[in-house]
Amino acid sequence: SQTIHQWPATLVQPVGSPLSLECTVEGTSNPNLYWYRQAAGRGLQLLFYSVGIGQISSEVPQNLSASRPQDRQFILSSKKLLLSDSGFYLCAWSGTASSYNEQFFGPGTRLTVL
Amino acid sequence: AQSVTQLGSHVSVSEGALVLLRCNYSSSVPPYLFWYVQYPNQGLQLLLKYTTGATLVKGINGFEAEFKKSETSFHLTKPSAHMSDAAEYFCAVSEISGGYQKVTFGTGTKLQVIP
Repeated sequence: SQTIHQWPATLVQPVGSPLSLECTVEGTSNPNLYWYRQAAGRGLQLLFYSVGIGQISSEVPQNLSASRPQDRQFILSSKKLLLSDSGFYLCAWSGTASSYNEQFFGPGTRLTVL
Repeated sequence: AQSVTQLGSHVSVSEGALVLLRCNYSSSVPPYLFWYVQYPNQGLQLLLKYTTGATLVKGINGFEAEFKKSETSFHLTKPSAHMSDAAEYFCAVSEISGGYQKVTFGTGTKLQVIP
């Protein structure tokens, strides 16, 4: 069966510090991968998606970046965090690109920037 | 462009009462629709999905939703609420855009179950 992991689970960082969040998927090959941010009362905002190794597309311009160094690894990074980067970050995967495929979500990372 | 509107950011029901969470969508193509549930500080879990065929879709935990094309709605219902149903619920619509699956989520409805 497929599983998706995220770490760390929680993170408190000062403004201006770097960020690295990791997501890994097990039990499937060549998944589509997604990073979402969830801010209070705003639902889910798609940040990045990837259809393959090294293939990253950004939905929202910001000071965050993403990388996919391996087939089942997806990393979210920042060189300098802003207060507005606080939120709950969710990684998700889906199978081949099809509208009827559901996305499977990881447990999330709660990021607080102080 | 697709969009989802969830009416009511907070809904309160008594334990044993009917749960009704509303979702309206907009899509330029035949929609694929989903309901997800999120418990505090956890990821989202699929409750049910509509692709094609039967318009009444049954999901996990006794939930079901009916796709009504004429009303562009996909409301979520459960006949009798349990305390364990207290969570946030997200409606979503999916389409293929630029070669990837683009899912647009509603802003969510927090369900409170009163004992």
